[in-house]
Amino acid sequence: DSGVTQTPKHLITATGQRVTLRCSPRSGDLSVYWYQQSLDQGLQFLIQYYNGEERAKGNILERFSAQQFPDLHSELNLSSLELGDSALYFCASSVAGAPRTDTQYFGPGTRLTVL
Amino acid sequence: KNEVEQSPQNLTAQEGEFITINCSYSVGISALHWLQQHPGGGIVSLFMLSSGKKKHGRLIATINIQEKHSSLHITASHPRDSAVYICAVKTDKLIFGTGTRLQVFP
Repeated sequence: DSGVTQTPKHLITATGQRVTLRCSPRSGDLSVYWYQQSLDQGLQFLIQYYNGEERAKGNILERFSAQQFPDLHSELNLSSLELGDSALYFCASSVAGAPRTDTQYFGPGTRLTVL
Repeated sequence: KNEVEQSPQNLTAQEGEFITINCSYSVGISALHWLQQHPGGGIVSLFMLSSGKKKHGRLIATINIQEKHSSLHITASHPRDSAVYICAVKTDKLIFGTGTRLQVFP
C-alpha cells in the first residue's frame, strides 16, 4: 500500500459525459501527478500540482482539467468524453515538487470505460 | 523514435531462470525508475537509481549513464514475478517506456 488513494476504482460512462476522478496523496506529500495509461499509448504524464499550484503540464487535452485543493487532495475532471479516453488514470504523490529527485508513489488507479 | 525504449516487449520464462530486461533512453536524466505493474493494474516502484547498481532480494538494477542504458535482472524467477516491468526516466517529468510483459511458468 503506497498510501495514495484514488476513487472511484472503476467508472463506466457514456460518450459526451463528464467525470471527476479523485486522489488523496500520502500524508505529508505536497505534490500530485496525474498519468493516463491507455492500451495504445502506454503511460503518459498529464499534469502536476504542487501545494495547490499547477507546476507542470504534459499531454493533457483541453477537455481535461485538474486542481489541487487546500487539503492537498486533487481532482481530475474529464469532459466531453470520447471512446479513446478509456484508460487507467493514475495519481502519484511526492514530498516536494521536484520530479528530478523525488520518488513518486503511485495510487491504485481509476479504470475509466467510455461506452 | 521513443525517448525511452525497452526490450524485449514480451518475455516468457520457466521458473528458476535468470531474467534480463533492458531500457535505453535518449534524453538527459537525473535518475531512472523501474516500476512493476501487476495484472490488477497497480504500480509499485522497485528501484530509483542514478548510477551503479542496486539490489533488493532477487532483483538487481544497473545503470550506465554514459551509455544511457539500464538493465533489470531477476534471479531465480518465480511465477509471482509475472507482471509488466516499466522503465521510467526522470527529467522535468517522468517519461515511460512501453513496458516488458513477463510471464514465468512453473
